[in-house]
Amino acid sequence: GEDVEQSLFLSVREGDSSVINCTYTDSSSTYLYWYKQEPGAGLQLLTYIFSNMDMKQDQRLTVLLNKKDKHLSLRIADTQTGDSAIYFCAETTPRGYSTLTFGKGTMLLVSP
Amino acid sequence: DAMVIQNPRYQVTQFGKPVTLSCSQTLNHNVMYWYQQKSSQAPKLLFHYYDKDFNNEADTPDNFQSRRPNTSFCFLDIRSPGLGDAAMYLCATSRDPGQGIPEQYFGPGTRLTVT
Repeated sequence: GEDVEQSLFLSVREGDSSVINCTYTDSSSTYLYWYKQEPGAGLQLLTYIFSNMDMKQDQRLTVLLNKKDKHLSLRIADTQTGDSAIYFCAETTPRGYSTLTFGKGTMLLVSP
Repeated sequence: DAMVIQNPRYQVTQFGKPVTLSCSQTLNHNVMYWYQQKSSQAPKLLFHYYDKDFNNEADTPDNFQSRRPNTSFCFLDIRSPGLGDAAMYLCATSRDPGQGIPEQYFGPGTRLTVT
């Protein structure tokens, strides 16, 4: 079945690195995504990783994928107060039209 | 800028009074999705259209319907809203999954309040 789990809350200080973790259960996942949602807004795609990759780096963002453990992480370097938001992990599987299954989201709070 | 637009951003309706939420896109994407997101929960897919082909999720209540009159527009109709239907409703679009990365682009959402 499909299930995506995330820790609910993370608090860091400005300038530190943040690591948000996610586990998923569907081994047939093809793409895994990280979305950001600011208060009252829609979801913004931050980055994605294909399931045959271990790591992807995009500026301050690093995604690590451990397919054996079905574990995905998002590292944000030099975290800023503007990074405060809810971060959703999502997976897509080869069924239907690439429908997404989301985790419940991790609220990241960055303090000055 | 190409984008996904949702109107209205905030909608208040009365218990049992039908309501329609709208979504439009300038991306010319084949696929359009409607998600329901309740407070502190993951977005939950209600249904999606691949062109005119409608795909309902198995657990979407019959109270929720959708229409897609053309590529650009998609509507979510709630026939008899209950208090439990109060939520943020998110519209998203994507290209044909066979055309590269299956990336979904989201609108800003419509927050529905039921009184």
